Amino acid sequence: EAQVTQNPRYLITVTGKKLTVTCSQNMNHEYMSWYRQDPGLGLRQIYYSMNVEVTDKGDVPEGYKVSRKEKRNFPLILESPSPNQTSLYFCASSLYAGSTGYNEQFFGPGTRLTVL
Amino acid sequence: KQEVTQIPAALSVPEGENLVLNCSFTDSAIYNLQWFRQDPGKGLTSLLLIQSSQREQTSGRLNASLDKSSGRSTLYIAASQPGDSATYLCALNPGTGGTSYGKLTFGQGTILTVHP
Repeated sequence: EAQVTQNPRYLITVTGKKLTVTCSQNMNHEYMSWYRQDPGLGLRQIYYSMNVEVTDKGDVPEGYKVSRKEKRNFPLILESPSPNQTSLYFCASSLYAGSTGYNEQFFGPGTRLTVL
Repeated sequence: KQEVTQIPAALSVPEGENLVLNCSFTDSAIYNLQWFRQDPGKGLTSLLLIQSSQREQTSGRLNASLDKSSGRSTLYIAASQPGDSATYLCALNPGTGGTSYGKLTFGQGTILTVHP
């Protein structure tokens, strides 16, 4: 089954304790991205990756790191989490569609993170 | 900067009604527009994607239209059912130019409740 998976689905941690949220897709997609969703603010992009070893900042990258060593994986790293990073996080992926405009994005189930 | 607005913010209808959800955007230079459904506490499910060159897309009881010149998209749901209750989000992909590829700008969503 074609899908985007995230782990863990739920995480409660304390300020300053490094954590990694994993994201994996089995569709051979070039493009992957991380979003966070907050009440009243909607979905905002954190980081994205156009392909292996190619990453760039989205709208709200502060406090986050990413890496793309393999095409299927795009982990999100919080080196020193703070309470304002409590949020619902989504990973997404899509094919590179060139000029066709057909790059439907597929989302993972989400990771609910609470930082105390 | 692209801004996406969805109206209404919430909608409650009786089962069986046909309904229209609206999405407006400020910059007509888009690559594509995607409609998603999100159930409470869950991930995003892609419903329809309209490429920049298209006017509409249909899937079952859903029909999405795109009018770039007026900066509008609508999602039409025919014969609504209680199972359609969810939050509906529209998202714009701004273009193929370098770092903007794949970056979705989301509206705040319309919360739809269909009651029996």
